[in-house]
Amino acid sequence: NAGVTQTPKFRILKIGQSMTLQCTQDMNHNYMYWYRQDPGMGLKLIYYSVGAGITDKGEVPNGYNVSRSTTEDFPLRLELAAPSQTSVYFCASRIDSNNEQFFGPGTRLTVL
Amino acid sequence: AQSVTQLGSHVSVSEGALVLLRCNYSSSVPPYLFWYVQYPNQGLQLLLKYTSAATLVKGINGFEAEFKKSETSFHLTKPSAHMSDAAEYFCAVISNQAGTALIFGKGTTLSVSS
Repeated sequence: NAGVTQTPKFRILKIGQSMTLQCTQDMNHNYMYWYRQDPGMGLKLIYYSVGAGITDKGEVPNGYNVSRSTTEDFPLRLELAAPSQTSVYFCASRIDSNNEQFFGPGTRLTVL
Repeated sequence: AQSVTQLGSHVSVSEGALVLLRCNYSSSVPPYLFWYVQYPNQGLQLLLKYTSAATLVKGINGFEAEFKKSETSFHLTKPSAHMSDAAEYFCAVISNQAGTALIFGKGTTLSVSS
């Protein structure tokens, strides 16, 4: 198993541009999460999904959107990039019967 | 509301010394607690987890943590630090909302000197 994969690894955006951060897991996990990590702040939940077709907001959802059309994929969309969205983004997943979350390697995004 | 507080954003130890990273939690329900480690420019890796089976939890790389309900603490320890332990460590509690997402502390950076 590849586990949780994220693309791209790095990206620089200009203010106002849009992009999609990709997240895929091959473990047939029904729960998936997006977190952002800012220096000295830990990780904060952006959005989560409990299964295909079901998503909900986390603590810091403003400026982001998600979809979950398949069990494997959970893309995160930034519509109008802002400097405040400069961060490292982590996707994670877990199976229903286990509380352990598995994390992807992260996407480092800079908005200039 | 649930929360996690990690005392000390930076901890420095000498190689071979005891490692103690502090974590206190707040939860209205019996908590599930985790310690994750993050090496530079990498994702998060699970060190250990507490799920109410035993109060002393052993993890990978010689780390262990003790759940103390009376002190609402889940401190991480390792008897003898190694240079390879230098990393950032996060304590987390499972949210009883938000799809059981993790609520993280702000992290503690561990430095190990020779």
